[in-house]
Amino acid sequence: DAGVTQSPTHLIKTRGQQVTLRCSPKSGHDTVSWYQQALGQGPQFIFQYYEEEERQRGNFPDRFSGHQFPNYSSELNVNALLLGDSALYLCASNKRDRGSNEQFFGPGTRLTVL
Amino acid sequence: EDQVTQSPEALRLQEGESSSLNCSYTVSGLRGLFWYRQDPGKGPEFLFTLYSAGEEKEKERLKATLTKKESFLHITAPKPEDSATYLCAVQHSNSGYALNFGKGTSLLVTP
Repeated sequence: DAGVTQSPTHLIKTRGQQVTLRCSPKSGHDTVSWYQQALGQGPQFIFQYYEEEERQRGNFPDRFSGHQFPNYSSELNVNALLLGDSALYLCASNKRDRGSNEQFFGPGTRLTVL
Repeated sequence: EDQVTQSPEALRLQEGESSSLNCSYTVSGLRGLFWYRQDPGKGPEFLFTLYSAGEEKEKERLKATLTKKESFLHITAPKPEDSATYLCAVQHSNSGYALNFGKGTSLLVTP
């Protein structure tokens, strides 16, 4: 049973560039959430996708956008990168109407903005 | 605004020395409280979900408990492989499935 997978593992970009991160949810899951984790901090919720629509959004600017595909996989796009966007980006998945709310996380993508 | 505060920030234990980690929360309408373990450079690993005050769950050397204001993660006779950051998160009943995390407790267990 494949868990949550993310690609790439690491990424280095320069300020002003754009980046796309990818996530495949755990088998049987239909909801994908994205989190940003700065060094020494807990993960911060960016947004959540279900049925190919953004259902909920955290306190992040419009530079952060996403997409969910019919196979439930998801992308996170960040435009006009800032130094402060350097972080570990985590994808989590869950089965929305399963009666349990556990989210399972992928290994993350480490983004460094120079 | 929902708040999650974990203490201590860091904890160093000798192997076999039991202790507890604390997670205090303020949320109007708790759907669930979650504990995760995170190893350096990796994604959080799910441990427990607690839904109501008085609930307890156990897994190997870990036991999680929940009251109306806080949760404890008790570690009994820890081993070096229990060294990790332990994260607590709350889910609000009106906030969909978003998790609001604390900053975590960094646990180091020495032989």
